[in-house]
Amino acid sequence: GGIITQTPKFLIGQEGQKLTLKCQQNFNHDTMYWYRQDSGKGLRLIYYSITENDLQKGDLSEGYDASREKKSSFSLTVTSAQKNEMAVFLCASSLGGANAEQFFGPGTRLTVL
Amino acid sequence: GDSVTQTEGLVTLTKGLPVMLNCTYQTTYSPFLFWYVQHLNEAPKLLLKSSTDNKRTEHQGFYATLHKSSSSFHLQKSSVQLSDSALYFCALSDWNNAGAKLTFGGGTRLTVRP
Repeated sequence: GGIITQTPKFLIGQEGQKLTLKCQQNFNHDTMYWYRQDSGKGLRLIYYSITENDLQKGDLSEGYDASREKKSSFSLTVTSAQKNEMAVFLCASSLGGANAEQFFGPGTRLTVL
Repeated sequence: GDSVTQTEGLVTLTKGLPVMLNCTYQTTYSPFLFWYVQHLNEAPKLLLKSSTDNKRTEHQGFYATLHKSSSSFHLQKSSVQLSDSALYFCALSDWNNAGAKLTFGGGTRLTVRP
């Protein structure tokens, strides 16, 4: 088995601040994903990466940057935090392929004051 | 583009009753469908998946059948338990040379009461 670690668990920022979220996986998976989940709602894809140094935009990429520094890590940057923004950011990884299961991390809960 | 629709946002049932959570999808490609479950304050986990038309797939008492003719993949259970209270997501896989990504429905929150 493997595990996905997300840091920090809680992130509090100020309006306009640049904030970075980190994700590590030890599944040795090729593909990694970042999703945003608003309270009790569905998951929306922000960015994904099929291999080291690759980046693919999801439906919600505006306002975010991402970086896949190495196979095991994938970071997400909120370029300018929006006031009163609250959401959970979930990182996931998979082997890739249409029927591959995605494994999710525990999430980073963002609050912007 | 691809889309997934879950018509019920909230379902409340008494323990022991059957449940069906609806999922319909739209895609121009061969569909791969998933159900994920997310318990409170936990990460989503795969419940079951299918790409085979008209074949029932089961896991942990839940079952679903992909029907390509009606673009549906409804999730069912014959007798819900208190521990089934969670958020359920239907998802559709979109795979091309840029890799595989999932399109999620809005989710259905299932609450089971004693």
